[in-house]
This record gives sequence, structure tokens and C-alpha cells, in this order.
Amino acid sequence: QKEVEQDPGPLSVPEGAIVSLNCTYSNSAFQYFMWYRQYSRKGPELLMYTYSSGNKEDGRFTAQVDKSSKYISLFIRDSQPSDSATYLCATFQGAQKLVFGQGTRLTINP
Amino acid sequence: DAGVTQSPTHLIKTRGQQVTLRCSPKSGHDTVSWYQQALGQGPQFIFQYYEEEERQRGNFPDRFSGHQFPNYSSELNVNALLLGDSALYLCASSPGQGTDTQYFGPGTRLTVL
Repeated sequence: QKEVEQDPGPLSVPEGAIVSLNCTYSNSAFQYFMWYRQYSRKGPELLMYTYSSGNKEDGRFTAQVDKSSKYISLFIRDSQPSDSATYLCATFQGAQKLVFGQGTRLTINP
Repeated sequence: DAGVTQSPTHLIKTRGQQVTLRCSPKSGHDTVSWYQQALGQGPQFIFQYYEEEERQRGNFPDRFSGHQFPNYSSELNVNALLLGDSALYLCASSPGQGTDTQYFGPGTRLTVL
């Protein structure tokens, strides 16, 4: 079983839609969760960083962590074509070692 | 303030050759981690350097080695290249060894023929 599982998609939605991206993880000891955005042929860029359970909002983006079900989500409101990218969920395994999901490829259609 | 920089951008090698990739961390960062990202996959942790020493290592063979210099920049070396080593190699830097945000560079795309 992979430590972090993520549906690779691809996911295609119309502009303005609400997007929901999800990951599950296996180890209940994981406490720090991140979402990175990666444009084609570029390095990952941090979008959201959350600790433990709860929600965190930043503009059109909301990150949600449910530790009881080991489930993390990223919601994008009013999606734009510029949001088209691969979204990677990640967590720290020990200090400094990031473990990533496979990434979900998202396309926002104008 | 320059972010994390990596060189070269692209590299083509043949099986059996050796390659060296370079990374300069973000200003103020002293910890460098290297990741391998195969096409369509998430990045996989190779190893991490802090104070010029390898502190953690992922599940990669000894063909993968590295170095950190006194100015915190780092190199990743891969010997005896295999076709399966073709990937995007990412460098990430952070200010210390805790759970601080890791900032990624643009990566070096390595193709092994």
C-alpha cells in the first residue's frame, strides 16, 4: 500500500466550476499536509500547507484535512484556465522527507 | 531574491555514463533535498543534505550520490546510468531540518538513451 494515494485523473471541468481534488494516506502519524501545483515541465510550487485536522482557506483555494478518515482535499472555487496543472498532495514522513501522491492532472476549459 | 536554481535544464546521456546535476538553494536556506520524478508520477525522495552531510536517504541505490558545499549548494551524481533513470530531477531547499516549507527548483530533465 502506498503511503499517499491520489487519483491521477485526468480531470476536466468548465471554467468557473468548483474543483475537488482528493488524497488518502495510510499512516495516522502524519500531521503536516501540503498541496503543490506543478505546471508542465516546471518544478512544484507550494499552494497550501496545513497542520493536523481542519480547514485552511487562501483566496479561491481551501485545503481540508480529516485525520479520522485519513483524507485530505483541495477545493478550487471559480476555477480559471490558468489553474490547469498537475496537483500533488504531500506529507512529511519524519523530518524533511516529503512523500507525494501520484498527482492529479487538471484541465479547466474556457 | 533568486529562488532555487538548477543546472543544466536538459541533459541527454547514454546507458553506462555518469551525470552530475547542480542546485543552488534559495537565499537563507541551508538544507537541500533531491527528488526524482518519473513521467506521470509524484516526486520520490532521493536524499537530503545538511551541514555538508547526507542526513536522510530514500530507497535509491548507491549509484546515486551527492555532495553539499560550504555555500549550501549541492550536486547529485548518478553513475552507470540506466534507461530507468530518465526522469525530472528536482532540488528543494528549506531553512533547517524541521517541517519547514520546501521550495523546489525548476528541475533538470535527464534522458538516458
